Amino acid sequence: NAGVTQTPKFQVLKTGQSMTLQCAQDMNHEYMSWYRQDPGMGLRLIHYSVGAGITDQGEVPNGYNVSRSTTEDFPLRLLSAAPSQTSVYFCASSIQGTLDYEQYFGPGTRLTVT
Amino acid sequence: RKEVEQDPGPFNVPEGATVAFNCTYSNSASQSFFWYRQDCRKEPKLLMSVYSSGNEDGRFTAQLNRASQYISLLIRDSKLSDSATYLCVVRVTGGGNKLTFGTGTQLKVEL
Repeated sequence: NAGVTQTPKFQVLKTGQSMTLQCAQDMNHEYMSWYRQDPGMGLRLIHYSVGAGITDQGEVPNGYNVSRSTTEDFPLRLLSAAPSQTSVYFCASSIQGTLDYEQYFGPGTRLTVT
Repeated sequence: RKEVEQDPGPFNVPEGATVAFNCTYSNSASQSFFWYRQDCRKEPKLLMSVYSSGNEDGRFTAQLNRASQYISLLIRDSKLSDSATYLCVVRVTGGGNKLTFGTGTQLKVEL
């Protein structure tokens, strides 16, 4: 199993550009989520999904969209990049959405917005 | 007040030492507790869940004190490979059923 994969590993965007961060898992996990990690702050939940076709907002959803058309994939779209979105983005998955199960994280995408 | 608070450290300890970290949480509805480990520039990985009765996994011991709203992690016989940031994670029921991550405590184990 590859686990949770994320692409790209690094990305530099200009303000106003849009892009999609890819996330895929091959563990047949129902629950997937996106976090951002900034210095001095814990990981913060952006969006999450409890299954294909179902998504919901987390703590910091503004400026991001998600979709979940398959169990395996959960892309995160930045609509119009802003410097405040410079961060490290982690995708995670777990067996179920009760959150008592281990969260498996992808390797992260380091995004810089200039 | 932050929902989950940790001393950022760094804790610099010699190899073989015993070191303990605490984490306090503010929401009494917190239901589940975890310690994750994050190596530099890597993703977090589950170290251990924290059970009400306390639990041990090799050199690692986790404790929960609901009355005082804190959890602890004790590492015995520290190894160089234990150098990492340790994240305290709390699940709060109600209000979205989400995980709240602390900012982490950095541990550096030295020769």
